[in-house]
Amino acid sequence: AQSVTQLGSHVSVSEGALVLLRCNYSSSVPPYLFWYVQYPNKGLQLLLKYTSAATLVKGINGFEAEFKKSETSFHLTKPSAHMSDAAEYFCAVSDLGQGGSEKLVFGKGTKLTVNP
Amino acid sequence: DTGVSQDPRHKITKRGQNVTFRCDPISEHNRLYWYRQTLGQGPEFLTYFQNEAQLEKSRLLSDRFSAERPKGSFSTLEIQRTEQGDSAMYLCASSFLVPTDTQYFGPGTRLTVL
Repeated sequence: AQSVTQLGSHVSVSEGALVLLRCNYSSSVPPYLFWYVQYPNKGLQLLLKYTSAATLVKGINGFEAEFKKSETSFHLTKPSAHMSDAAEYFCAVSDLGQGGSEKLVFGKGTKLTVNP
Repeated sequence: DTGVSQDPRHKITKRGQNVTFRCDPISEHNRLYWYRQTLGQGPEFLTYFQNEAQLEKSRLLSDRFSAERPKGSFSTLEIQRTEQGDSAMYLCASSFLVPTDTQYFGPGTRLTVL
């Protein structure tokens, strides 16, 4: 079964600094990978997804992620952090289940703090 | 398009009581998923519908849990004889019937069992 490991449950950066959130996956088949963001008391919002097209995926709010098969990684980056980026970020892999459900398997999340 | 909605947003109940949550997916979305998220964890898959058919249930879904999606529209998730371990955020998501289509999540229902 597929699984996801997010390194670092908490990441703190200064405003304007590079954001790097790490995600490694385990999958027995070519994976589909996702990054979601969750603001306090809000639902999950898709940032970007990789579905076997270009390995560098651009998402909303200036985020991007690169799929590296050799490293089984899908790290999320943003060149310059903004205060509004403070949230919890979840990496997920699609796990093809019964009936083609493609349920998502999530990592434990990384809480991003942005300091002024 | 008003997005996925869930009701109620918060529910406090006493151990042993039954609770029911509702999810209204984005209109015309064929697939509807339920996930559970506990503190400090990512969401975990519970069950999934394609139209009105419940096609998969996780081992996490004990026999105290039941979900329905009558007529392939809204869905309900019922927990009978609640336990303190049921306290969590219950998330609903919906998507179109195409591979790897984006799952759109609702705001969730936070359940607290006293």
